[in-house]
Amino acid sequence: LAKTTQPISMDSYEGQEVNITCSHNNIATNDYITWYQQFPSQGPRFIIQGYKTKVTNEVASLFIPADRKSSTLSLPRVSLSDTAVYYCLVGDGAGGYNKLIFGAGTRLAVHP
Amino acid sequence: DAGVIQSPRHEVTEMGQEVTLRCKPISGHDYLFWYRQTMMRGLELLIYFNNNVPIDDSGMPEDRFSAKMPNASFSTLKIQPSEPRDSAVYFCASSPRTSGSTDTQYFGPGTRLTVL
Repeated sequence: LAKTTQPISMDSYEGQEVNITCSHNNIATNDYITWYQQFPSQGPRFIIQGYKTKVTNEVASLFIPADRKSSTLSLPRVSLSDTAVYYCLVGDGAGGYNKLIFGAGTRLAVHP
Repeated sequence: DAGVIQSPRHEVTEMGQEVTLRCKPISGHDYLFWYRQTMMRGLELLIYFNNNVPIDDSGMPEDRFSAKMPNASFSTLKIQPSEPRDSAVYFCASSPRTSGSTDTQYFGPGTRLTVL
């Protein structure tokens, strides 16, 4: 399973755009990139997933360069409620079940 | 749908006692996972099931831990005997079976276990 590396923590202010970059140098051809969000006292929640280029949903955007060795989660105009831990995961989408390995994640603190 | 349901939400017990955590996955999901989360070790996968059959239990820390899934709508994680180092938040998650992409896992609210 490809290992991921992301910053331990980040700080931002309300209304700013936040970009969290994840490194996954050993990503395999069949691997997808998935981001989860975890609020205190809750289980992780799926945010976004992509394979290449750019994916956007109502919550975030995910940018994946051509070599796929990294990815960037972009949160537009964050609010205090976006304070959470964000996990970047890489898993096999070939049809067999992937075992998600959660790293330490990035602890995002949004300040007023 | 009510989502993944876990009970109890909080459990306080004494060392040596048996602890049973319960999980009801989302209806129609073929996969069920048990995770443990601590400050020191983060979120660890303990075991997962596919169609009620345990597939990978390599994350189960010791023989004191056991998990069962007697039917598609219920699973238990049992610790016997419990020890203080088992104190953690235990999450259950379920996932549908889809093809062509990494399957999304839906997590329950967790059970906070404290072993005194």
